[in-house]
Amino acid sequence: EDKVVQSPLSLVVHEGDTVTLNCSYEVTNFRSLLWYKQEKKAPTFLFMLTSSGIEKKSGRLSSILDKKELFSILNITATQTGDSAVYLCAEDYGQNFVFGPGTRLSVLP
Amino acid sequence: NAGVTQTPKFRILKIGQSMTLQCAQDMNHNYMYWYRQDPGMGLKLIYYSVGAGITDKGEVPNGYNVSRSTTEDFPLRLELAAPSQTSVYFCASSLMDSYGYTFGSGTRLTVV
Repeated sequence: EDKVVQSPLSLVVHEGDTVTLNCSYEVTNFRSLLWYKQEKKAPTFLFMLTSSGIEKKSGRLSSILDKKELFSILNITATQTGDSAVYLCAEDYGQNFVFGPGTRLSVLP
Repeated sequence: NAGVTQTPKFRILKIGQSMTLQCAQDMNHNYMYWYRQDPGMGLKLIYYSVGAGITDKGEVPNGYNVSRSTTEDFPLRLELAAPSQTSVYFCASSLMDSYGYTFGSGTRLTVV
């Protein structure tokens, strides 16, 4: 089974800071990489990435995939306290999915 | 050190059939969850449990049932499968609420 590693595992910043969250994966039969934001019990979907080098953007959040180096980053600019959450990435490798451990982001006022 | 184990990985059901999706965790986590993921929709909570003998409905419980007779196991039952239940199902567990989730590898279910 493929493995997904996220870093850092925990991050504390102040409002207005820009953060970069990392996700690296192994590849057996890569289909896509997904990013989620988890504040309560159910993670909300952020991005699905399938093509290398194409940035996906939603407001202050953006994400990009590097299929050669097997990683993805999630950027959050001008962070707000509402961005405080656990950010999960997951690989869809055809057989099934593998989730990373998550990065816990805390944004202080 | 298996974490969260889900079986089966794939299943095709006919409309009206029943099946049970199995989920087991070996981390002694109190909290367990069942989600379904539809394309681009994120994870929707079906049922969750805060401990053996205790279950509660999530956002989309209709058409499903769960039980939690032991800390380790949290099976999800579909009684009368419908095409709308075609989805990817994830089981997860955590030591505390909303913290430190471990996800299973998912079950891809197709109802035809």
